[in-house]
Amino acid sequence: ELKVEQNPLFLSMQEGKNYTIYCNYSTTSDRLYWYRQDPGKSLESLFVLLSNGAVKQEGRLMASLDTKARLSTLHITAAVHDLSATYFCAVGLDDMRFGAGTRLTVKP
Amino acid sequence: GAVVSQHPSWVICKSGTSVKIECRSLDFQATTMFWYRQFPKQSLMLMATSNEGSKATYEQGVEKDKFLINHASLTLSTLTVTSAHPEDSSFYICSARDSEAGELFFGEGSRLTVL
Repeated sequence: ELKVEQNPLFLSMQEGKNYTIYCNYSTTSDRLYWYRQDPGKSLESLFVLLSNGAVKQEGRLMASLDTKARLSTLHITAAVHDLSATYFCAVGLDDMRFGAGTRLTVKP
Repeated sequence: GAVVSQHPSWVICKSGTSVKIECRSLDFQATTMFWYRQFPKQSLMLMATSNEGSKATYEQGVEKDKFLINHASLTLSTLTVTSAHPEDSSFYICSARDSEAGELFFGEGSRLTVL
């Protein structure tokens, strides 16, 4: 069964700092997703990574995928308060499995 | 972009009653939709895969007689929580896969509170 592990589960950052969230998965998959969830809301799609070595960037967020290591990273550059949310990685196609989520808090 | 609409967005009901949640793809056809459940401060757990015109496929541990799924058209799937109990209180989220483009879109979620 596909397992998806995220770490850290909780992350408190100062504004302006950089940090990385890690997502490991247990079996081969052809796609990996990153989502953002604000309290009480559904998921907002951030990135879809489809191939080994894929790197995508949007604003202060950059996601990468290493299918050989079964690892994806979400890198946050110069964090701002607006990035405070829970971030999920998810793997799979029809049987998509989610990581536990990383609750990010960015403090002034 | 493509939109998946869920209704109702929140519902409060008494224990023992049944509640129906709708998931609609507004501008694309979806032969496959998915239902997830999310408890507070936890991740999303896949409950079932809803296939248009056929029976849903339930994940292990999900009671198919309690969580009835109907996917009667290419744009609508419904989840009915039968004889709801307080432990069924949760955030239910659906997603729909665009049959042509293959992209996956999530609904806004439905928060169920069972008293």
